[in-house]
Order: sequence, then C-alpha cells, then structure tokens
Amino acid sequence: GIQVEQSPPDLILQEGANSTLRCNFSDSVNNLQWFHQNPWGQLINLFYIPSGTKQNGRLSATTVATERYSLLYISSSQTTDSGVYFCAVAAGGTSYGKLTFGQGTILTVHP
Amino acid sequence: NAGVTQTPKFQVLKTGQSMTLQCAQDMNHNSMYWYRQDPGMGLRLIYYSASEGTTDKGEVPNGYNVSRLNKREFSLRLESAAPSQTSVYFCASLRNWGDETQYFGPGTRLLVL
Repeated sequence: GIQVEQSPPDLILQEGANSTLRCNFSDSVNNLQWFHQNPWGQLINLFYIPSGTKQNGRLSATTVATERYSLLYISSSQTTDSGVYFCAVAAGGTSYGKLTFGQGTILTVHP
Repeated sequence: NAGVTQTPKFQVLKTGQSMTLQCAQDMNHNSMYWYRQDPGMGLRLIYYSASEGTTDKGEVPNGYNVSRLNKREFSLRLESAAPSQTSVYFCASLRNWGDETQYFGPGTRLLVL
C-alpha cells in the first residue's frame, strides 16, 4: 500500500515563530488532507489539498503531486496551535476515500 | 448540524466481552469509515462503507464487524474484545468523491482489561 512519511516528528517553537511541516507519499494520490489533532483528541480538518496551494488565515498548504509531497506552513504560531498534525492520503483509482495516515508531527508552542 | 457523533465516549471492557460502537452523521454523506488510533500513531482504517448497503474491509479488520444501518448510521462491533483492541476509535464520513474531505467524530476511548 501507499506509504506516508511526515517530518519532523517533533517540533518545539516559541510563540510567533513560523514553521513548515512536510509530508512525503509513495504513490499518486487523489486525496490529501491535513488534520490538526488537538490536546483533547479531536481531529480538525485543515485542508483538503490533493494538488495546488490553499491558504486559511495563518495556515497555508502546498501539494506538488508530481513530486509526491505536501507542505503545511504555520505562520506567527500561537499556543493554541499545539497538538499533532497529520497528513493523510488516498491513492487513485477506486480508493473510496480510504485514507492512509502518516505518523504525525507533534508541535509544541511555548508562550 | 451536529456533524459526526459517536457513542459512547469512553468504555471499559473485560477480555471476551462484546460491545457495539455507534456512529451517526447528519450531513447526508454517502460514505462512512471506522479508524483506530493507537498511542503515538496515526489512524488506521478498520472498515468502510462506500455507500448505503455496502461495507468492506480496511487495513486492520480482524476482530471487528460493521453494519451500515441506514445512510446516517454506521456501527462497529467487537464480538470478543481483546487487550490488543484497546485504542481510540474514530468514525468519519465523506460526502462524495468530488470533494473528498472527511469529517471525523470525537472518538471513543476503549480500554480492554
């Protein structure tokens, strides 16, 4: 099956810093999502981005499908950004939305 | 809209007991999914239902069964719980295959002793 690798595994920032999280995947995909899992365990959709670039406030994401990677940018980080960030993909064809998740990046933002 | 709801929020079972995890969505989505998340890991797909009336296995189906009761509801059953099934279980739904954003429920924490 498709492999998903996220880096870095852990990231510690001071409030106000910027960061870039990376997701590499091993095959072509027709679905790529970024999630934030907050400290209470809730999974929150950030982006559905199988290709191209999107922005939502301080967050933006870029997927280069031909090179099989996606980047999540967090600018001016806040303590509420802490948690685990997951990239999840579904391969092409009859994937029916069956997502394969990466291991996640644990982000800690200190005040 | 409540989105995706799951019951119970937390459950403790003894080895060999059975239980059913319930999931419902009010977004009129066609597809529904069950995932499990073990400590320090990403989610893994257990079963999915591409549309009402169909179900199929995911990556880790052993020890589980599912029922797509109607378009809104998708349940996950553990017939004989084992300690290896201690995990957090998430249900998700997806509208269609044009916009494949998946929406997740709050999760059920299951402890099997």
